Amino acid sequence: GDSVTQMEGPVTLSEEAFLTINCTYTATGYPSLFWYVQYPGEGLQLLLKATKADDKGSNKGFEATYRKETTSFHLEKGSVQVSDSAVYFCALPLTGGGNKLTFGTGTQLKVEL
Amino acid sequence: GAGVSQSPRYKVAKRGQDVALRCDPISGHVSLFWYQQALGQGPEFLTYFQNEAQLDKSGLPSDRFFAERPEGSVSTLKIQRTQQEDSAVYLCASSLAGGQPQHFGDGTRLSIL
Repeated sequence: GDSVTQMEGPVTLSEEAFLTINCTYTATGYPSLFWYVQYPGEGLQLLLKATKADDKGSNKGFEATYRKETTSFHLEKGSVQVSDSAVYFCALPLTGGGNKLTFGTGTQLKVEL
Repeated sequence: GAGVSQSPRYKVAKRGQDVALRCDPISGHVSLFWYQQALGQGPEFLTYFQNEAQLDKSGLPSDRFFAERPEGSVSTLKIQRTQQEDSAVYLCASSLAGGQPQHFGDGTRLSIL
């Protein structure tokens, strides 16, 4: 079935370091792909999305490119800040209609001064 | 309010008790989703409404779980005869329509003693 696989965390970086969080997917067809972020004690917020192959989603300095050749949607940021510390989830809609999402297990990011 | 509102934020119940979790979606949002998030995991789909119609309940783990949205706005997730494995964060999300981004509430953290 459709699924996403994320790199395990936690990922610990110094402020201003480069970030990559890997995400690969298995899906029928070419679904939209999403990155969500969850700050401590809060629900998920949509960070960015891409709706078709080769699309690049971007928001708040984060980027991810939909690569159908490698079935990947890796999240990147050139210079992380302490405020980026959160858990990041890759997700895609399951087949069967309704746009219900399936999520990866999440990758915790800790950014230190 | 501007976002999805869930109540209560925290719920502690004894094993065997019934609980009810409430979700107020964003006004005008047609689609409403419930997810269950176990500690350290990504959210898992439970059920989906379009207006008052429950179109998909394939993710409900047992017949002890029941959800309703009688007027197409507020939704309630009820768990009967709670068990320890029901302990999790229950997230509600709404979207303007199918295929549109989902907006999540902060969740209800349910602990079963």
